[in-house]
Amino acid sequence: GQSLEQPSEVTAVEGAIVQINCTYQTSGFYGLSWYQQHDGGAPTFLSYNALDGLEETGRFSSFLSRSDSYGYLLLQELQMKDSASYFCVSNQAGTALIFGKGTTLSVSS
Amino acid sequence: DTAVSQTPKYLVTQMGNDKSIKCEQNLGHDTMYWYKQDSKKFLKIMFSYNNKELIINETVPNRFSPKSPDKAHLNLHINSLELGDSAVYFCASSQGSYSYEQYFGPGTRLTVT
Repeated sequence: GQSLEQPSEVTAVEGAIVQINCTYQTSGFYGLSWYQQHDGGAPTFLSYNALDGLEETGRFSSFLSRSDSYGYLLLQELQMKDSASYFCVSNQAGTALIFGKGTTLSVSS
Repeated sequence: DTAVSQTPKYLVTQMGNDKSIKCEQNLGHDTMYWYKQDSKKFLKIMFSYNNKELIINETVPNRFSPKSPDKAHLNLHINSLELGDSAVYFCASSQGSYSYEQYFGPGTRLTVT
């Protein structure tokens, strides 16, 4: 079957760095996306990796290793507003996106 | 201007009733989606339309019927509501089918009692 695995919860303090890992098993894999969802809010797109390596967007970076079927989202200089759920999402040929079960990040002061 | 809007935001109804949720996007996208998010936050695709044509129809009870009158609108009608239908339903849109970058509406929280 097609699946993505990510930790269910991560906690950190303001100013810290946190890494949310994702492993995937999907056929026809094109790339890995990350979405953020605050409580009561809508998922919003953060980043996409189609090629191996690191993509940086401000405080957030995302990494992909296709040979290891692995990716991660790196959040730096954590702020309270980063407390949210983060979903790794697989994009594959000719079918719908597949969402992981999400990682709840709690940032404390 | 809201990019993807849904109405209503909250819907509380009794088992057996029929209800509809409406979605509109003003991004000029050609593809729209319905997702269901359960109480454990698991997000799963239900349907997708590209230029009014159904392109994704996941294993969903046939009590759920989508309709796309034009590429800016996608509605979801649910017949004979059941307790298990309680969830948050999200509409989304993208430019191109199966795009990795999708824009989500605010969601409709459906509670069936």
